Amino acid sequence: AQTVTQSQPEMSVQEAETVTLSCTYDTSESDYYLFWYKQPPSRQMILVIRQEAYKQQNATENRFSVNFQKAAKSFSLKISDSQLGDAAMYFCAYRVFYGNKLVFGAGTILRVKS
Amino acid sequence: KAGVTQTPRYLIKTRGQQVTLSCSPISGHRSVSWYQQTPGQGLQFLFEYFSETQRNKGNFPGRFSGRQFSNSRSEMNVSTLELGDSALYLCASSSERGSYEQYFGPGTRLTVT
Repeated sequence: AQTVTQSQPEMSVQEAETVTLSCTYDTSESDYYLFWYKQPPSRQMILVIRQEAYKQQNATENRFSVNFQKAAKSFSLKISDSQLGDAAMYFCAYRVFYGNKLVFGAGTILRVKS
Repeated sequence: KAGVTQTPRYLIKTRGQQVTLSCSPISGHRSVSWYQQTPGQGLQFLFEYFSETQRNKGNFPGRFSGRQFSNSRSEMNVSTLELGDSALYLCASSSERGSYEQYFGPGTRLTVT
């Protein structure tokens, strides 16, 4: 069974600074997807970024980028120029290539200080 | 496009009762998945429906069931409610094209007293 581990329960960052959230996963599959979701206090889950395991290039979406290390089974999220609106719980999630079951990590609370 | 909608948003039930939650996916999406979110267990996959058929099931007791209608709307039912069923229930829809990204609804907050 696949597992996802987020070892940082909570992180803080100063506004305009950069922060990196860690995620490791365990799987025996070679093809899969990885996602970062954001859940603000409203509880609405918002997709931040996705990575296909067969792509070597790291995904980037505006201020959000990932460092995907397939051999190490590591998938970290970097948030640049942090904004107050980035404050939320961030979940790392794994999904097999075909199928819609997401396996989530425990989440990391990100606090942004002004 | 309208997003995923879930009704009701909040629900209070008593132990032993049953409850039905509803989810309407994004137009054109045929897959609906359900997740339970609790402070203790985090986010856990309940089941997935595609074209009115359960395609995938998580590790939950038989008290948790679901169905999907021909218009892709889905319902989940929990019978004989227990205190531990208090949770945020999230549904997510996806298409079967591309990377199958899942889009989540706002959730239904169920409180069992």
